[in-house]
Amino acid sequence: AQSVAQPEDQVNVAEGNPLTVKCTYSVSGNPYLFWYVQYPNRGLQFLLKYITGDNLVKGSYGFEAEFNKSQTSFHLKKPSALVSDSALYFCAVSHSGGYQKVTFGIGTKLQVIP
Amino acid sequence: DAGVTQSPTHLIKTRGQQVTLRCSPKSGHDTVSWYQQALGQGPQFIFQYYEEEERQRGNFPDRFSGHQFPNYSSELNVNALLLGDSALYLCASSLGGGQRSPLHFGNGTRLTVT
Repeated sequence: AQSVAQPEDQVNVAEGNPLTVKCTYSVSGNPYLFWYVQYPNRGLQFLLKYITGDNLVKGSYGFEAEFNKSQTSFHLKKPSALVSDSALYFCAVSHSGGYQKVTFGIGTKLQVIP
Repeated sequence: DAGVTQSPTHLIKTRGQQVTLRCSPKSGHDTVSWYQQALGQGPQFIFQYYEEEERQRGNFPDRFSGHQFPNYSSELNVNALLLGDSALYLCASSLGGGQRSPLHFGNGTRLTVT
């Protein structure tokens, strides 16, 4: 079985400061890792993914994530937070082999304070 | 380029009734996955359709069923509704049924069971 843990229900950061949203995963085989963002009353939007290769992945809106195999982590980062980044962020995992079943974490609410 | 569209946007049903939710995938996509997102939770995988067949299924009872049509659109049917079925139902489309493709989500159908 595959699983995702997002240990923080909410992350507060001041505008202009760097932000990190944490994610750890458990999966058999090679992990495929994703970050999605959800705004109120909307569906999820894809931000970035790690499939293979460089451990630092760059995505939309200036976000990036670092894959760490030994720590089974895939933390989301941004060098300088914007108020408009305030939203709900979901980490997700699938794996090589078989058809697509993506497992999502519970989500982390990011609040950027002006 | 039309994204994923879901209908209806909101629905109120009574316990024991049946409901059908509809989804049109993003143009060019051939795979549809359905997710249930309860309040304050991450999306939970219901099932995936690819080539008009159910390819993967999550831990949902048989009351949840679906269908994919030749034009790749999909329906989610829920029979004998329970209060606990109240949630946001998300449809996501992707290409090729594999694990590497990002999911493109619709804005969901908010189902309330009274």
